Amino acid sequence: LQLQGSGPGLVKPSETLSLTCTVSGGSISSSNYYWGWIRQPPGKGLEWIGSRYFIGRTYYNPSLKSRVTISVDTSKKQLSLQLSSVTATDTAVYFCARQVYYNGVGVSGPFDYWGQGTLVTVSS
Amino acid sequence: SYVLTQPPSVSVAPGQTARITCGGNNIGTKSVHWYQQRPGQAPMLVVYDDNDRPSGIPERFSGSNSGNTATLTISRVEAGDEADYSCQVWDSNSDHPWVFGGGTKLTVL
Repeated sequence: LQLQGSGPGLVKPSETLSLTCTVSGGSISSSNYYWGWIRQPPGKGLEWIGSRYFIGRTYYNPSLKSRVTISVDTSKKQLSLQLSSVTATDTAVYFCARQVYYNGVGVSGPFDYWGQGTLVTVSS
Repeated sequence: SYVLTQPPSVSVAPGQTARITCGGNNIGTKSVHWYQQRPGQAPMLVVYDDNDRPSGIPERFSGSNSGNTATLTISRVEAGDEADYSCQVWDSNSDHPWVFGGGTKLTVL
């Protein structure tokens, strides 16, 4: 399985950050996985942004919820992230990742596959 | 939301054992996952569900979880183990269900 992130590396303040993650070598429609976005500001730790199940259940970090949209296009095998009204504090490396979901017991497992990460800088 | 606390740094000599802790309220009731991240790279899962290893991860990596502390143990530390290590849990009853610790920098002396 491979996850390949793509998108602009530079976004102006107040604009919308848009990233895409293309999945290859596996299905994006499996009931055994969530698909998520995580970011890492320079020199800081990992921050979960949000996660989506293929049939539409979506969860967002409450601190970002008003600005975030995560969608899945199963025909293109793509996961997308949109973050609106960005500021300099949104500058970070953005990772997409697959999350294991133990469907039989309704429990989430680890992030087992990660994309390479996309550095997004918010600056005018 | 649930908070995970890690020490900023841990240092160990080659061949010795490194222990990296992850503190959280009753973390022993949750499954803990650990990630290794080398500079400029994406995180890589090294231990999941407290003490299971993905295929390809050496047996030197192990985990434990009880009470308010989970621990990642790296035996016979090698220079290549130098990296940042982060713990992560799923808090099912939270509006912020997926949580990461702040990360620990492991330095091999």
